[in-house]
Amino acid sequence: EIVMTQTPLSSPVTLGQPASISCRSSQSLVHSDGNTYLSWIQQRPGQPPRLLIYKNSIRFSGVPDRFIATGAGTEFTLKISRVEAEDVGVYHCMQATQFPITFGQGTRLEIK
Amino acid sequence: EVQLVESGGGLVQPGGSLRLSCAASGFTFSSYWMHWLRQAPGKGLMWVSRINTDGSSKDYADSMKGRLIISRDNAKNTLFLQIYNLRAEDTGVYYCARRTVTGTYDYWGQGALVTVSS
Repeated sequence: EIVMTQTPLSSPVTLGQPASISCRSSQSLVHSDGNTYLSWIQQRPGQPPRLLIYKNSIRFSGVPDRFIATGAGTEFTLKISRVEAEDVGVYHCMQATQFPITFGQGTRLEIK
Repeated sequence: EVQLVESGGGLVQPGGSLRLSCAASGFTFSSYWMHWLRQAPGKGLMWVSRINTDGSSKDYADSMKGRLIISRDNAKNTLFLQIYNLRAEDTGVYYCARRTVTGTYDYWGQGALVTVSS
């Protein structure tokens, strides 16, 4: 199975400042159909997971445009242009290119 | 509005069993593959099981294979997960999620807590 590795595991940030989370996969996430099935999922404290980004860089409905996802192959990044208080929580990357679906360990975003 | 509501969690002794349910509403349930995922306390997410639209195809995580049965009742818009021979390491929050053709989970339930302890 594909192993997903996130860095850092914890990220203290200042409100209004940018934040960045990296995710690396053990194999290329480019599917034979040409798509890259990499998603980013947010989990606020005490809440269920919530989809932010799918197919590598597409924001899900209602997701603010301060969330920007880039990457290709095996290296991916989620950037928050200006962190707001509501962004606190754990961020997970997830691959669905190859079965079984696998997740990174999660990165905890906290306010300094 | 799409809603997924899990139920059936609780405290179970090692070796016991339980059945989780996920009631779906706000969409055509029978048109979607449905999945179960688990989150152990303080840990990341793990895929557990999936079922296709009519229930004819099912898959399970290797770590739990042989102890799980996933099923669905499209007439009642409900997804199920039966877990047998529960172990301490099965403890966690179990989420049902809707799988989309874009290769992701666009909606998640609020989760059902399963605690395996004597």
